[in-house]
Amino acid sequence: KNEVEQSPQNLTAQEGEFITINCSYSVGISALHWLQQHPGGGIVSLFMLSSGKKKHGRLIATINIQEKHSSLHITASHPRDSAVYICAVRSSADKLIFGTGTRLQVFP
Amino acid sequence: DTAVSQTPKYLVTQMGNDKSIKCEQNLGHDTMYWYKQDSKKFLKIMFSYNNKELIINETVPNRFSPKSPDKAHLNLHINSLELGDSAVYFCASSQKGVTEAFFGQGTRLTVV
Repeated sequence: KNEVEQSPQNLTAQEGEFITINCSYSVGISALHWLQQHPGGGIVSLFMLSSGKKKHGRLIATINIQEKHSSLHITASHPRDSAVYICAVRSSADKLIFGTGTRLQVFP
Repeated sequence: DTAVSQTPKYLVTQMGNDKSIKCEQNLGHDTMYWYKQDSKKFLKIMFSYNNKELIINETVPNRFSPKSPDKAHLNLHINSLELGDSAVYFCASSQKGVTEAFFGQGTRLTVV
């Protein structure tokens, strides 16, 4: 079992839908990251969280430290949001442990 | 200005060869990493350097040798390349414990 589990693995949505991607982890962490990987392969950091909630535009990330769970929400989804979203936790040894990713496709 | 840059972006080479991938960051970060992304797109850490010192070595074969000449550079040298080394390798940097990680664009290594 991976130390970082994401769900769902694949997600399709119609443009405009509200999307949620979940991440659960089983190790002690100093921070949790949400990353986006586009079909071209580049990886972009979306959020780094250690508590509470953060918002950038249409993206919202939340974390519950007690429950070892984080969610990434996309409001008013758009085809350009299509990508793989990766949850990663930063362990006490300062290494990132990655989830397997959620492949999102948003159709017009 | 590119924050974390890797070269080359693509590398095709024959089994048994030795190759290097270079990484440079201009963010002033003190920590740099190498990650491997396999064919199933799963990312896994290989090495971490903090202020030029090796911090993490995740059971990577000895054929892989990272070298950090200074805080801004972390190069990856691979000896005697094998078919199973084919993957995308990502370099990243961060300020330890403080900032999010910034990734390079990746190097797609294909061993034939």
